[in-house]
Amino acid sequence: AQSVSQHNHHVILSEAASLELGCNYSYGGTVNLFWYVQYPGQHLQLLLKYFSGDPLVKGIKGFEAEFIKSKFSFNLRKPSVQWSDTAEYFCAVTGSARQLTFGSGTQLTVLP
Amino acid sequence: DTGVSQDPRHKITKRGQNVTFRCDPISEHNRLYWYRQTLGQGPEFLTYFQNEAQLEKSRLLSDRFSAERPKGSFSTLEIQRTEQGDSAMYLCASSLAAGGSDGYTFGSGTRLTVV
Repeated sequence: AQSVSQHNHHVILSEAASLELGCNYSYGGTVNLFWYVQYPGQHLQLLLKYFSGDPLVKGIKGFEAEFIKSKFSFNLRKPSVQWSDTAEYFCAVTGSARQLTFGSGTQLTVLP
Repeated sequence: DTGVSQDPRHKITKRGQNVTFRCDPISEHNRLYWYRQTLGQGPEFLTYFQNEAQLEKSRLLSDRFSAERPKGSFSTLEIQRTEQGDSAMYLCASSLAAGGSDGYTFGSGTRLTVV
């Protein structure tokens, strides 16, 4: 069975700080990896996804993530956060299952 | 507008009552998923349809839960004899490609409160 761990439950940053949110997955086979964002009161939105190819994936709103197979990791990064990035961020994976398996999420609060 | 519509947005019901939620996926998407999300947790998979066939069901889906997608378009999720533990956000998602290579698209969810 596949599983996802997000170790940071709540991250607080000031505007312009750099962001890195950790995501580790557990699955022995080929995986597809996703980051979703949920702004307050809104639906889950896809930030970026990795299926194959270049392990450095660029997504919307200046976010990127790097797939490191040897570490079973898919960390999300942004060089300079904005107040509008305040949201909950979810890492997710599909492996043998056709559906997404999500981590527990990281709440990001950006202070103006 | 996400393209995936869910109705109602909120539902408050008394314990023991039955409730039904509806999901309208993006029209060309033949894959439809139901998830449940509780406070402070990521969404948990409930069930999956490809066209009208229900192909997977989570162990989370007790006998009180039933889902249908009769014509391969919209889907309904019914909870019978609701319990307080059923209080959660119920999310619907759809995709076109297997494995979600096009990216799963989520609806805004139905928030259920059982009192």
